[in-house]
Amino acid sequence: GAGVSQSPSNKVTEKGKDVELRCDPISGHTALYWYRQSLGQGLEFLIYFQGNSAPDKSGLPSDRFSAERTGGSVSTLTIQRTQQEDSAVYLCASSLVPTGVGNTEAFFGQGTRLTVV
Amino acid sequence: DQQVKQNSPSLSVQEGRISILNCDYTNSMFDYFLWYKKYPAEGPTFLISISSIKDKNEDGRFTVFLNKSAKHLSLHIVPSQPGDSAVYFCAASPSGGSNYKLTFGKGTLLTVNP
Repeated sequence: GAGVSQSPSNKVTEKGKDVELRCDPISGHTALYWYRQSLGQGLEFLIYFQGNSAPDKSGLPSDRFSAERTGGSVSTLTIQRTQQEDSAVYLCASSLVPTGVGNTEAFFGQGTRLTVV
Repeated sequence: DQQVKQNSPSLSVQEGRISILNCDYTNSMFDYFLWYKKYPAEGPTFLISISSIKDKNEDGRFTVFLNKSAKHLSLHIVPSQPGDSAVYFCAASPSGGSNYKLTFGKGTLLTVNP
């Protein structure tokens, strides 16, 4: 497909379990972002990748959260020992260059709705 | 501390009329602004953007106005159509080292009534 693809679309997990969320960005996009949207909130920045490097992880809420990107393409966001407050929609986005560099937009996937019970 | 604020959680307009969605920001480093539209169970889709060197950008029925001195931008939709019913997010990115980071408002739910 031509867009950003995320899987799974929905994930229900028990508190304390680990989850892995996947993002396939648009081919050729060097910049990749993870955002989170909690109920009634705006999108909250989590992490930014340029190529395979993550120069900004400042938005990750705790050390239970980690992310990697391989081959300058697919990214996975891992949440260990999930808690109920982790329940949210996790959105991945990509852009050809960083948004502010090229005054260009980021394209979002449909998101993964995570529910921790 | 919310750096991008959309003070109206919802807005209802009649089909054919103008919709005006507002956004205020506090960070003077923001120099690129975007509007995204989001339907339920879908990711946000880009609508229109504006650079801080401009005060207006128009694309079909959509126009974004930027007032830098007031740190305010608005999205005008004319004429509004029922298919425009969605949540609209205002976003901003700064100049400088964090120019990749978009800061979003909480969104405004627009309902266009037939």
